[in-house]
Amino acid sequence: NAGVMQNPRHLVRRRGQEARLRCSPMKGHSHVYWYRQLPEEGLKFMVYLQKENIIDESGMPKERFSAEFPKEGPSILRIQQVVRGDSAAYFCASSPRRGESLHFGNGTRLTVT
Amino acid sequence: AQSVTQPDIHITVSEGASLELRCNYSYGATPYLFWYVQSPGQGLQLLLKYFSGDTLVQGIKGFEAEFKRSQSSFNLRKPSVHWSDAAEYFCAVGADSGAGSYQLTFGKGTKLSVIP
Repeated sequence: NAGVMQNPRHLVRRRGQEARLRCSPMKGHSHVYWYRQLPEEGLKFMVYLQKENIIDESGMPKERFSAEFPKEGPSILRIQQVVRGDSAAYFCASSPRRGESLHFGNGTRLTVT
Repeated sequence: AQSVTQPDIHITVSEGASLELRCNYSYGATPYLFWYVQSPGQGLQLLLKYFSGDTLVQGIKGFEAEFKRSQSSFNLRKPSVHWSDAAEYFCAVGADSGAGSYQLTFGKGTKLSVIP
């Protein structure tokens, strides 16, 4: 059973470009979470999605950031018009049910030049 | 809102020595508690979890943790550390956060170095 798959592993974007981060949850998992990790700061919650629904986006900046988890296909975290401050590691996690342990992917490391 | 404090940013121990990593949480009700480990450039791996029942929880790789409600703590222990345990360790609390949501809130992590 494959784990949580994130791609790309590394992504370099120039300021003003768009970044698209993909996450395929574990088989049978319909709950997806996105977290951002900055050095020395641990992981910060961004958004919680269930198939086709955003359950909680309280941790996501109001502008430039969006997330989706369509009925078919991976979850996508989209960052428009990236700025240097968006440089970070972005982790996706999935669980089979609400309240269960989260299983994490290996992350996408975004660098904005 | 829930929060997690890991007081030690960096700990160094000798191989074969015992280990205790501290974690304190703040949450109004009975929390779900977790310890994760992260190796450089990797994602987080679940070591163990506490939902209810026995307050001493056994995990993978020889780790255990004890939930102490009176101290709001969930400290991670290992009796004999191996060089491969060098990594960063994160404590997390899982809790309802309103409107049907559920979140894991993480501490800032403790980086463990192991001296041969």
